Amino acid sequence: AQSVTQLGSHVSVSEGALVLLRCNYSSSVPPYLFWYVQYPNQGLQLLLKYTSAATLVKGINGFEAEFKKSETSFHLTKPSAHMSDAAEYFCAVSDNTDKLIFGTGTRLQVFP
Amino acid sequence: KAGVTQTPRYLIKTRGQQVTLSCSPISGHRSVSWYQQTPGQGLQFLFEYFSETQRNKGNFPGRFSGRQFSNSRSEMNVSTLELGDSALYLCASSLQTPGSSYGYTFGSGTRLTVV
Repeated sequence: AQSVTQLGSHVSVSEGALVLLRCNYSSSVPPYLFWYVQYPNQGLQLLLKYTSAATLVKGINGFEAEFKKSETSFHLTKPSAHMSDAAEYFCAVSDNTDKLIFGTGTRLQVFP
Repeated sequence: KAGVTQTPRYLIKTRGQQVTLSCSPISGHRSVSWYQQTPGQGLQFLFEYFSETQRNKGNFPGRFSGRQFSNSRSEMNVSTLELGDSALYLCASSLQTPGSSYGYTFGSGTRLTVV
């Protein structure tokens, strides 16, 4: 069975600091991996996705993630946090059966 | 290009009633999935439709049902509402199925409150 673990339900950074949100997955088949962001009272917006092409995936708003098979990880990073990055972030895995399995989410706070 | 449209945005219902939520996918998208988001259980998959056929179903009771029309619009229905059904219901569309390789675009959701 597939699963996703997001370490840290809350992460706080200062504006301009590095953002690192952790995601580890479990999958018996080559996975498809996603990061989504959710702003208050909104749906989910796709930041980036890994579909077995390049292991370093660049997304929107300056975010990127690296697929590391040996570590079963897909951590999300951004070199310099902006106040507008404050939101909840979800990592998700799929084995290409139409269903996304989501992690429990990480709430990112950005302090001035 | 219009995104995924969910109606209504907010809904208040009484226990025991039934409710129907609507989702219009991005034009040209043929796959529609539904998810339930609650503080306790997080994001959980309900079901997925493609070409008017349910292709996959999550672990929810039979009170939760859905359908897809020939224009790819989808509805989900919850009968005999319980307080625990209060949640944000999200719809996602994808170009084809399985959607993972194409990516899923989510709507803004319908916030259902059961009182």
